[in-house]
Amino acid sequence: QKEVEQNSGPLSVPEGAIASLNCTYSDRGSQSFFWYRQYSGKSPELIMSIYSNGDKEDGRFTAQLNKASQYVSLLIRDSQPSDSATYLCAVKGSSNTGKLIFGQGTTLQVKP
Amino acid sequence: DVKVTQSSRYLVKRTGEKVFLECVQDMDHENMFWYRQDPGLGLRLIYFSYDVKMKEKGDIPEGYSVSREKKERFSLILESASTNQTSMYLCASSFIGESSYNEQFFGPGTRLTVL
Repeated sequence: QKEVEQNSGPLSVPEGAIASLNCTYSDRGSQSFFWYRQYSGKSPELIMSIYSNGDKEDGRFTAQLNKASQYVSLLIRDSQPSDSATYLCAVKGSSNTGKLIFGQGTTLQVKP
Repeated sequence: DVKVTQSSRYLVKRTGEKVFLECVQDMDHENMFWYRQDPGLGLRLIYFSYDVKMKEKGDIPEGYSVSREKKERFSLILESASTNQTSMYLCASSFIGESSYNEQFFGPGTRLTVL
């Protein structure tokens, strides 16, 4: 079982719709959770961090964390073609090394 | 803003050459990381360092070494480049410790081609 799992996609949504990206993790002691956006040929860019159960909103982005079920999700409201990218879920496990475990990423396509 | 810079965006080397990739961060981060990213394989950790002169192997250290002589600089060395080391190399840095959530910030990446 992979430590951090994401559906590779592609996930295709029409412009203006809500895109829902999901991630599950295996280490129950995981502490911090991150979403990165990566455009083709570019490096990952941190867009959301979440540490406590519940929702965290930042503009059109909402991160949701459920530690009991070991999943974290990212909702993108009013999706725009510029949101088309690969979204990487990253998890800081129970160790204190500072290492993050990355999922393989979900490719999102927003169609005009 | 956190800034992580890498010495080259694109690099072409020949098989057997010694290759140096350099990374510099300006946020006084303790942790620094080297990843490679290949299609279908995701981000894979090569080495990381949590302090000057300290290093730990990641998931795929074979064929690579690292050097951290100063806190802000972390170098990745390919002792004898091979074609299977053609990849995108990404450097990242983060704070360490209980007061930090360990967000990693990435440099722009170096696309290395070994011929």
